[in-house]
Order: sequence, then structure tokens, then C-alpha cells
Amino acid sequence: EAGVVQSPRYKIIEKKQPVAFWCNPISGHNTLYWYLQNLGQGPELLIRYENEEAVDDSQLPKDRFSAERLKGVDSTLKIQPAELGDSAVYLCASSPRGRDRGRNEQFFGPGTRLTVL
Amino acid sequence: AQSVTQLDSQVPVFEEAPVELRCNYSSSVSVYLFWYVQYPNQGLQLLLKYLSGSTLVKGINGFEAEFNKSQTSFHLRKPSVHISDTAEYFCAVSGPGAQKLVFGQGTRLTINP
Repeated sequence: EAGVVQSPRYKIIEKKQPVAFWCNPISGHNTLYWYLQNLGQGPELLIRYENEEAVDDSQLPKDRFSAERLKGVDSTLKIQPAELGDSAVYLCASSPRGRDRGRNEQFFGPGTRLTVL
Repeated sequence: AQSVTQLDSQVPVFEEAPVELRCNYSSSVSVYLFWYVQYPNQGLQLLLKYLSGSTLVKGINGFEAEFNKSQTSFHLRKPSVHISDTAEYFCAVSGPGAQKLVFGQGTRLTINP
């Protein structure tokens, strides 16, 4: 079974440019997460989807970040415009449906390492 | 609110020596606890988890962890480490019906030959 797929793996852009990251979760997983991982830190949740609905986007900086999950499968995270402080690894994860979400293992993709110059 | 503190940012050990990575959590409700490992340039992979029942949890690659409710700890241990265990280790907490995982800041395990 294929794992969580993310692309690109690496991205270098100039500040003020737009950038987009793509994620394909494990087949059948209805919950999808986007995390931000700064250097030397643990992942921090940006947004969580249940199917195509964004059910927790409280940590997403909505002035410059946006996300979508059309048809409840693939997802795209966009930054426009990018700032120097956005340099980080952006992780996507997915988990299966369950009665108690808190128990579910999350399966992570390899991440996209963004460098903003 | 829940939080996790990993007490050591870096732990260097010699190959075949035992290791303990420390994790303390804070929560006002019952918890589920997880340890994830991140190898260089890879995503996180689940090592083990505590949901309920036995407080000693065994995971992959010879790792185990013990849930201690009175000390609010969930320390990770391995009796003999290998070079291949070099990685970043993250402790995380959630709870019944929790909306998200809360991660600690990570511990970098370095194995010296």
C-alpha cells in the first residue's frame, strides 16, 4: 500500500512569490492534516480536513495561507506571498475513520522543505 | 489544554548502550500517548502508542515505553541501540475525541560507534 505522497520534496523561492504544496493521502483515509515543522521543533497543526471539510483551521494564517481538499482526496496548501519566516518543512498526514479520533495513528508523508530567500 | 515537554534536546550514546528519552505531559483529561521517529529527510513514523491497559508498551525496532500517570511521564527506552537508531524522536499527546496531536519539541538521538 502506498504511503502519503507529497510534492515537491524541496522548493526554493524568493520572498513575495507564491508557492503550493500537494498531498495525496493513503487511500481510504478521510482525515487529512497539514503540519508546519520549524527547524528543531515538533510539528504544529495548520489545518485538519474531514473529507472535504476543513474542521480545524484555527492555526492557519489566513492572510497568506490557504488550503483546499477537493473531492475529499488530494489536498493543496498555498502560500501567497511567501515571507522569509515561512522557511520550514510542511508535512501532510492522514488517518483512517474511527469512533475516537484521538486514538488514531497518523501516517506522515516525507514533507516539503521550503526555503524562502 | 494539553502540552508535552521533552526534557533533552540531544542525547548522545555509544552503540550497544541503553538509552532513555524522557517525555512529560500535561493534561486535564485522560490521555493517549505516542512516540514517533523521524529519520533524516523523512516523515514521522509511529514507534508505539499507549491508549489504555498495560502501562508498559512495546513498539517497533526494540523500543518500549512506560506510562506513569502519577509522574505524568511516558519515557522511551531501548536496552541496546544501533547506529540505525540515529534520528529525531517526538513524543505526542492526544485524548478521547481529541481533535489533534500535540507534539513535544523533539530529542535528537546520536549514536557514536
